[in-house]
Order: sequence, then structure tokens, then C-alpha cells
Amino acid sequence: AQSVTQPDIHITVSEGASLELRCNYSYGATPYLFWYVQSPGQGLQLLLKYFSGDTLVQGIKGFEAEFKRSQSSFNLRKPSVHWSDAAEYFCAVGERGSYIPTFGRGTSLIVHP
Amino acid sequence: NAGVTQTPKFQVLKTGQSMTLQCAQDMNHNSMYWYRQDPGMGLRLIYYSASEGTTDKGEVPNGYNVSRLNKREFSLRLESAAPSQTSVYFCASSEGSGRETQYFGPGTRLLVL
Repeated sequence: AQSVTQPDIHITVSEGASLELRCNYSYGATPYLFWYVQSPGQGLQLLLKYFSGDTLVQGIKGFEAEFKRSQSSFNLRKPSVHWSDAAEYFCAVGERGSYIPTFGRGTSLIVHP
Repeated sequence: NAGVTQTPKFQVLKTGQSMTLQCAQDMNHNSMYWYRQDPGMGLRLIYYSASEGTTDKGEVPNGYNVSRLNKREFSLRLESAAPSQTSVYFCASSEGSGRETQYFGPGTRLLVL
């Protein structure tokens, strides 16, 4: 079965600084990979996803993520963080042919002005 | 197009009481899911329905039952609420194609006293 690790529980950055949120997965084959964002009091919203092809994936709100098979990673990046990016971020991995993704425990992003 | 809707938004129960959380989607999705979210635990799958007429247990099904009433609606029932079921509950849906981007409702906050 697949598993997902988000090593950082909290990340604090200053507004305008760059951001990288880490995600590592354990799965034998090439998985489906997702990043979701949860704003306070809201449900989760898809930021981006990787199924196949180009390993650098562009998402909404200026985010991107890179799939690195050799490192079993799918890290989320943003070159310049805005205060409105403060939220909880979840990485998820899906097994091909399965309906059920596995979610990481989340990383809480705090943005200082 | 409302997406995924959940009712109620907030509920307080006493131990032993029962209640049903309602979920509906208007995207003609085949698959629907119930998750609970607890601090530091990420999202844990309670039950899911891959298609109308089927339901299956997820990671934490004990104390819950579900009904896939029709293609649109998927309810979660707590027969005898316990304080350990205090949580935020999210319903989600997906196409059921095997490339599962999930769409989430806004959540139900449940407090069991």
C-alpha cells in the first residue's frame, strides 16, 4: 500500500519569500500525485496533480511541483508567497486503478508580513 | 453548480445520541467519500462508495454507517455518538475514472460531549 510523508508540520515564511513544501511517498510503481490546499474553515481544493509526462507540473495560484522518481518526492514550490497563501497543504498519492488516494498529515503554512 | 454540499455545518451532540450527516454533489460523479480530519492526523477515510449501490469501509469505519441514497447523495450516520468522534467531517466526490481528483465539501464540525 502507498504512504505519504510530509516531514514539516509547520513552515513559517515571510511574505515575498520563496516556498518549498516537501512530500515523499512510498509506492512501487509510478503513482498519481496531488497537492491540495485547505484555507481556514474550508474544504480542500486541488492545487495541482501529476499523472504522467512532464515531471514539472503547474497549478493554480502560482504553485508548481516537481515529480522526482529517484527521490520518491513531489515537492510543492512557489517563488513568492502572498499572505493569502497561509493555509494547510496536503500531499496525496493515488495508486493507478484505485479510487482512493492516501493523504499526508499536512503542512501548516504561516506567512509573516 | 454548487459542487459538494454538506449539512449541517456544525452540530453538538451528547454521548449516545445519533445523527446523520448529509452530503450531495451535482457534478454527476460516480464515487463519493467520507473523511474525518483531526489535528495532526490529516484526512482519514471512513467509508467510500465507488459507484451508486456500493459502499466499502475505509481506514476508520468503526462507529459509523453510510447510505448511498442515489447517485447524488451519500449520508454518514453515527448511531451512538462518542467523544472520540468529535472531529471535522468532509464529504468528497470524484468521477470514478481511476484518475481521482476529489472535490470536497465545506465540512461539518461535530462536537460530542
